[in-house]
Amino acid sequence: AQKVTQAQTEISVVEKEDVTLDCVYETRDTTYYLFWYKQPPSGELVFLIRRNSFDEQNEISGRYSWNFQKSTSSFNFTITASQVVDSAVYFCALSKIQIQGAQKLVFGQGTRLTINP
Amino acid sequence: KAGVTQTPRYLIKTRGQQVTLSCSPISGHRSVSWYQQTPGQGLQFLFEYFSETQRNKGNFPGRFSGRQFSNSRSEMNVSTLELGDSALYLCASNLAGVFTDTQYFGPGTRLTVL
Repeated sequence: AQKVTQAQTEISVVEKEDVTLDCVYETRDTTYYLFWYKQPPSGELVFLIRRNSFDEQNEISGRYSWNFQKSTSSFNFTITASQVVDSAVYFCALSKIQIQGAQKLVFGQGTRLTINP
Repeated sequence: KAGVTQTPRYLIKTRGQQVTLSCSPISGHRSVSWYQQTPGQGLQFLFEYFSETQRNKGNFPGRFSGRQFSNSRSEMNVSTLELGDSALYLCASNLAGVFTDTQYFGPGTRLTVL
């Protein structure tokens, strides 16, 4: 069975601080995708990034960076120089990769991030 | 390109009633998935439709059903509503090419059951 754990339920930091959101996953599949989504108060889940299991390169996009480590089954997300607009709930998710693939995301419980001015 | 749209955005129903939620995917996307989000259970997968067929199903009772039309639009139905069905229902679409790919979500329908 697949499982995603986000141990940090809530994080609160002051603007401009760096913050890391942790994500640990469990799967028996050899090929899978990992995702991060952001959910602002409006409710819509906004896609941030997708990584596949055979590409462990870290990725940076502006103030966002992701650290994927297969050895520890972790896919952590760092926001550098946080801003108030980054306040949201962030979800880590896992999906098996299949040919003609049925789609099913398994989500973590989410981390509520509050950036205080 | 327009994103995933869901209607209505808010619904209030009473126990025992039934409800139908609608989802229009991103143009060109052929797969639609539905998720339920509650404070207690988090985000849970309901089902996925592709080419008007249910391709994958989560662990929900038979009161939850769905369908997909030839234009890829999807509807979800919940019959005999219970208080515990109060939730944010999110629809997601993806291209559904050869391999599993990224799902893009709509704004959700917030259902309140009284």
